[in-house]
Order: sequence, then structure tokens, then C-alpha cells
Amino acid sequence: EPEVTQTPSHQVTQMGQEVILRCVPISNHLYFYWYRQILGQKVEFLVSFYNNEISEKSEIFDDQFSVERPDGSNFTLKIRSTKLEDSAMYFCANRVGTEAFFGQGTRLTVV
Amino acid sequence: GNSVTQMEGPVTLSEEAFLTINCTYTATGYPSLFWYVQYPGEGLQLLLKATKADDKGSNKGFEATYRKETTSFHLEKGSVQVSDSAVYFCALSGDFNKFYFGSGTKLNVKP
Repeated sequence: EPEVTQTPSHQVTQMGQEVILRCVPISNHLYFYWYRQILGQKVEFLVSFYNNEISEKSEIFDDQFSVERPDGSNFTLKIRSTKLEDSAMYFCANRVGTEAFFGQGTRLTVV
Repeated sequence: GNSVTQMEGPVTLSEEAFLTINCTYTATGYPSLFWYVQYPGEGLQLLLKATKADDKGSNKGFEATYRKETTSFHLEKGSVQVSDSAVYFCALSGDFNKFYFGSGTKLNVKP
């Protein structure tokens, strides 16, 4: 099965700090998503990114969030000034045909 | 719009019991339907999918049939094992659209 890799697996940061979450996609597949899951709750859509452009974003994805493909391979989600309520599991996913393959997630803890 | 509704959990069963987790959806167009599974501390894994009406997805003893007339995609397994304990998410997606997830149903299987 195709594999999507996320780093780090766990990050602890102080409120107000910037964090960058990384995702290595499946080679040659250009459609990505970022989702988050607050502990024990629903999987929430953040943003979709196709061919190096944002194709859709949710209300959660405000000006504090940005998504980039800085070096043509990795795919990043940046949160500029973290808030306590940003604590969650963040998943990236790569679309291959009709399916989405998810990474193992980054657990972000804001203290 | 698109949405997914699945039964509230947790569902607690004894080993070898029959499992049904209900999922209904609303959608524009003709989406693909999915079940994802999340084991404790892990990411989302695709369990099975169906891409058109009357298709049956199956994997690891789990099955679900895409029922357009009842807008449902119920997950079933004839004999659950302790190792099936996880959270199960029903999801839908159209072509090049984001994935819409249900709220998840936690399954506890007791020996």
C-alpha cells in the first residue's frame, strides 16, 4: 500500500510559537489534504492542495495557517502563532485515484 | 451539501459477535464511499471502499454495500475479534473533492 510519511510524530510547543508540520507524499501524486482531529473528536478538513495551489480551505484554515511545497517533494503545514485550541492530531493525506492515503499523523500539543 | 452520519458509540461486543455500524450520507452527484479504521494511537487506514451504487466493498472480513436508494453504507462483520477494537469512520468523496467524515464509532471487543 502507498505510504505517506509525516514528521514529527509528536511536537510540543508554547502558545504563540510557530510550528511546521511536514509530510512526504506518495511520489508523483499531486493532490494533498490536511485534516485535524482534536482528541477523540471528528476528523476535520483544513485544506486541499492541488498542483501547488490551494484548491479548497475550511473556516478553520484562517490566516494563522499556511501550506507550502517548499522543495518540490515535502509538503508543509505552518501554524504561525499557535493557540491552545490548536492542540490536535494533524493528518496529511494524498489522493490516488478515488482513494486517500493518510499519514500516521503529528500530535501537536500547545502548552 | 455533502455529509455523513454514523451511529454513536461506543459499541461493545463479545468476541465472535456480529457487528453492524450504521452509516448514512447526503451527497450531490455520485460520490465514492469509504470506511476508514483508526487503531489506538495510529492514523487513518482505508478499510474498504465502494465507488458506485450496489458495489460491495470488502476487506479483512468486513463488508459494506453502497445503497443509493437508502443512502446508506453500513459496515458489517460476521465475527469480530479483539483485534478489531478501534474507531471506525465512514466517509464520502466526489471526484477531486475533499473527504467528508462521519463522527466515528468506537468499537470495543471483549474476549
